Amino acid sequence: ELKVEQNPLFLSMQEGKNYTIYCNYSTTSDRLYWYRQDPGKSLESLFVLLSNGAVKQEGRLMASLDTKARLSTLHITAAVHDLSATYFCAAASNSGYALNFGKGTSLLVTP
Amino acid sequence: KAGVTQTPRYLIKTRGQQVTLSCSPISGHRSVSWYQQTPGQGLQFLFEYFSETQRNKGNFPGRFSGRQFSNSRSEMNVSTLELGDSALYLCASSQRRGPRGYGYTFGSGTRLTVV
Repeated sequence: ELKVEQNPLFLSMQEGKNYTIYCNYSTTSDRLYWYRQDPGKSLESLFVLLSNGAVKQEGRLMASLDTKARLSTLHITAAVHDLSATYFCAAASNSGYALNFGKGTSLLVTP
Repeated sequence: KAGVTQTPRYLIKTRGQQVTLSCSPISGHRSVSWYQQTPGQGLQFLFEYFSETQRNKGNFPGRFSGRQFSNSRSEMNVSTLELGDSALYLCASSQRRGPRGYGYTFGSGTRLTVV
């Protein structure tokens, strides 16, 4: 069974600082997804990583995928308060038709 | 372009009752998947519907069921509700089966509280 682990689960960081969220998955998966969820809201798609070595950037967020290490990272550069949210990574299941989600990283950016 | 519409947004039900949740996908999207989100278990896959057929099911008891109509709208039903069914139920829409290369578009969810 494909298991997805994120760390850290909670992260409090100061504005302007950099940090990385890690996402490990237990078995082969060739697609990795990152989502953002604000409190009481739905999931917003951030990145879809489709191949080994894929790197995508949007604003202060950059995601990468290493399928050999079964690791994806979400790097936050110069954090701002608006980035405060919960971030989920998800790996495509063996069938490819469902996602296995990590527990989420609750990020709080403080002044 | 309208997004994924889920109704109702909130529901309160009593143990033992049954409930039906509705999801209208983005126009042109033929696949609807359902996920349950709870604080303890996180996000878990319930089932996937494509072309009116259930194609995939997660590890949930038979009390959880669903269907998809010819216009791609989907409903999920939970019978004999238990307290542990309290959760946010999210519907995810995609053009083809599963998240594939573009990921899902999620609806705003239905928050079900069982008392």
